[in-house]
Amino acid sequence: DVKVTQSSRYLVKRTGEKVFLECVQDMDHENMFWYRQDPGLGLRLIYFSYDVKMKEKGDIPEGYSVSREKKERFSLILESASTNQTSMYLCASSSGGENYGYTFGSGTRLTVV
Amino acid sequence: AQKITQTQPGMFVQEKEAVTLDCTYDTSDQSYGLFWYKQPSSGEMIFLIYQGSYDEQNATEGRYSLNFQKARKSANLVISASQLGDSAMYFCAMREGRGNTGFQKLVFGTGTRLLVSP
Repeated sequence: DVKVTQSSRYLVKRTGEKVFLECVQDMDHENMFWYRQDPGLGLRLIYFSYDVKMKEKGDIPEGYSVSREKKERFSLILESASTNQTSMYLCASSSGGENYGYTFGSGTRLTVV
Repeated sequence: AQKITQTQPGMFVQEKEAVTLDCTYDTSDQSYGLFWYKQPSSGEMIFLIYQGSYDEQNATEGRYSLNFQKARKSANLVISASQLGDSAMYFCAMREGRGNTGFQKLVFGTGTRLLVSP
C-alpha cells in the first residue's frame, strides 16, 4: 500500500521554538508539497518541491522553510514558531502525471502556545 | 480572486438519497484538471474523482460522478445513494497546466461539510 507518512500526528510547541515537520513517501514521486489547512480557508500551499534540493514557494511561504535532501523526504521548518502557525499541516506527493492527484499524509496538528 | 469556489459550507442529506456538492472554478488555461477529495474526521485526504478539461464525458467512479459544465466553469460532485460513511468534508481542487514538473500545483476550495443522516 503506497504511503505518505508524516512523523507526528499531534505536536505542541512553544512560541519561538524551531519546529521540524517530517514527511516521507515510498512511491518514488518527484513532486512533494506542504499545505496548511484552516477552517473556512481550505488548504493553502506553503512550499513545494519537484526534485531533490529544489524548492518553490507556494502561496503562503512566510515564516516557513523547507528541505529536500532525499527524494523520499520533504521537511517543513518553522524557524521561530508563532501562535498564528497553529494549524493542521498536510504533506502530499505526486508522480506528475496529468490525471494523478496528490497522495496525502494523515496530517500533523500543530499547536503553538 | 478565488480560483475555486465552494459556496456550500454545509450540506445535509438522508441516507440513500443523492446529493450534489457545488464547485465553480476560474482559469484562463485551456488545459486543466479538476479533482474532488474527501476528508473524514480522521483527517486524511482521499482522492475521489478526476476530470480533465478536454474530457468530453463526465467522469464517474462508483457512486461518485462529476457534472462537468465547461462553459459555466462548474464541476459539481454528485454522490448517489448516500451512506452514513459519506459524512465528511469534501474539497474541490483544480490543477492548472499540462502536468509539467513545477506546474502541478493543486488549488483547493474552502470545502463543504456533508452530513448524512439515517
